[in-house]
Amino acid sequence: GQQLNQSPQSMFIQEGEDVSMNCTSSSIFNTWLWYKQDPGEGPVLLIALYKAGELTSNGRLTAQFGITRKDSFLNISASIPSDVGIYFCAGQRGGGADGLTFGKGTHLIIQP
Amino acid sequence: NAGVMQNPRHLVRRRGQEARLRCSPMKGHSHVYWYRQLPEEGLKFMVYLQKENIIDESGMPKERFSAEFPKEGPSILRIQQVVRGDSAAYFCASSPPARRGTGELFFGEGSRLTVL
Repeated sequence: GQQLNQSPQSMFIQEGEDVSMNCTSSSIFNTWLWYKQDPGEGPVLLIALYKAGELTSNGRLTAQFGITRKDSFLNISASIPSDVGIYFCAGQRGGGADGLTFGKGTHLIIQP
Repeated sequence: NAGVMQNPRHLVRRRGQEARLRCSPMKGHSHVYWYRQLPEEGLKFMVYLQKENIIDESGMPKERFSAEFPKEGPSILRIQQVVRGDSAAYFCASSPPARRGTGELFFGEGSRLTVL
């Protein structure tokens, strides 16, 4: 089946630092999305990308849909304690009927 | 407007028993998705349903697992004769008709199944 390779697996940063994570695939996706999951909760959508090359921001978050449609990155600027959590990339092939393929997640830990 | 409601939040079953997980989508949402998450893993798609119809069940195991979304009442994911490998968090998500195919999903808090 399709796989998304997400890196890094975990990040230990200081508050105020910028964060960058990415996701790659061996196959094309028509939509890329980034979700965040807090412990004991379900994922929450952060950003959705629909066009190759698209760059989208949501507050301190910026994500890009790679031009080859096989990758995406997420940047978080000036991290704050509530940014702690697991960030998942997800891709959708399209057609409306199929589910999302998720990466394994990037654990973001902010050290005091 | 209440979010996606799942129950139970935690369920313990012995091997061979049945597990039933329930999901009520957000008001106005007619599409329901079920995903499974193993520890330290991402979510794996299982099934996509609309009212009274299974649209895509390509991620469902061929045996012991079934899902329904009746005209009235919540969607139910049913696992018969559970085994230890079924222990996982099961997440339900919903989306409104206008956002179908966008991947924009609203997730519940999950049901955590432990098989002893």
